[in-house]
Amino acid sequence: AQSVAQPEDQVNVAEGNPLTVKCTYSVSGNPYLFWYVQYPNRGLQFLLKYITGDNLVKGSYGFEAEFNKSQTSFHLKKPSALVSDSALYFCAVRDRSNYQLIWGAGTKLIIKP
Amino acid sequence: ETGVTQTPRHLVMGMTNKKSLKCEQHLGHNAMYWYKQSAKKPLELMFVYSLEERVENNSVPSRFSPECPNSSHLFLHLHTLQPEDSALYLCASSRSLDRTGDNEQFFGPGTRLTVL
Repeated sequence: AQSVAQPEDQVNVAEGNPLTVKCTYSVSGNPYLFWYVQYPNRGLQFLLKYITGDNLVKGSYGFEAEFNKSQTSFHLKKPSALVSDSALYFCAVRDRSNYQLIWGAGTKLIIKP
Repeated sequence: ETGVTQTPRHLVMGMTNKKSLKCEQHLGHNAMYWYKQSAKKPLELMFVYSLEERVENNSVPSRFSPECPNSSHLFLHLHTLQPEDSALYLCASSRSLDRTGDNEQFFGPGTRLTVL
């Protein structure tokens, strides 16, 4: 069965430090990969996506993600965390033959001053 | 904030009530979705509409009844809900249901539903 795993329920990072939010997937072929962020009392906002090409994708708010085909991973990264980055982050994957997204369970990111 | 609005933002209802959730998108999209979001679980896709036609119903109980009168509006009618239906209900839209990568979904802020 197709699935997306976000192995950490919560990630704690000190402000100014680099952050990584992990995502691995089990989807056939070469899927499209997405990251969304959800701030408190808000809907999900699109951050970035991988379709093809360069394995390092840059997105909104200084975030980037690295696609690793051999490890079937799409980890979200940021060189220097801000307190305002504290939110819930979702990884999602879509098979190229389908329109439906397969979602991870989300990772709560807490950035401490 | 994202071109997709949802009302109400919060709803408390009894198990015998009938209520409706409303979603409106101002993005000119042709596809709309209802999701259920529960804590620490992946988003659950409930219904998908494309050009006002329902194309997906992921084994959702009949106490949830969607309606899509046009490509900009989507409703979720609720009747005889159970306490386990308490969750955040998210509406989303996308340009279409095509399989290209350039077709991400845009979400509304959600309706926080509590069933007593």
